[in-house]
Amino acid sequence: SQQGEEDPQALSIQEGENATMNCSYKTSINNLQWYRQNSGRGLVHLILIRSNEREKHSGRLRVTLDTSKKSSSLLITASRAADTASYFCATDPQGAQKLVFGQGTRLTINP
Amino acid sequence: DTAVSQTPKYLVTQMGNDKSIKCEQNLGHDTMYWYKQDSKKFLKIMFSYNNKELIINETVPNRFSPKSPDKAHLNLHINSLELGDSAVYFCASSVNVGGRETQYFGPGTRLLVL
Repeated sequence: SQQGEEDPQALSIQEGENATMNCSYKTSINNLQWYRQNSGRGLVHLILIRSNEREKHSGRLRVTLDTSKKSSSLLITASRAADTASYFCATDPQGAQKLVFGQGTRLTINP
Repeated sequence: DTAVSQTPKYLVTQMGNDKSIKCEQNLGHDTMYWYKQDSKKFLKIMFSYNNKELIINETVPNRFSPKSPDKAHLNLHINSLELGDSAVYFCASSVNVGGRETQYFGPGTRLLVL
């Protein structure tokens, strides 16, 4: 069954603006990961946040995790045209031994 | 150096045919996966193998048969292809089994069943 759901499904912003994507999930998790998929390519890992962490940074990326609300957000600051891609959250449900992916947010950065 | 490679990249075939997709990883990982991504971009796990042993079989029709000859290779054979099998199939690998690990994805195999 689908675990993560991203919101919005599509987002279009101007270069230089910040982009925020949200992910909600249903069951208790060990960690949550975010991946990027460029058109016609495989997924690339961006960042992992553990269930006991609330915020994590990596370059222009900031991820938050609220386990009480079962939600996470990915913020990309100072967006660039190269950030145009689909972004997926993936949860690691407790006891499942697998990642469960959402449907992704399609981000378009307009020059 | 390609970390996770898949062949072929594109596969167009007729309904009812049998086809195979191959995957190889040179990362030294113990765990490999097959995922299916449908036209709505929904990515769903099909199988995982850890050191050649099947760990997850996600209620996939038995027309799909994975084979892992060694821990660096995980192939997917599909019998009697159906229209609904059209999708992009991704191979991935990770150091160990489970969702705590970063997964490394191949470029995908785009399967179109006519």
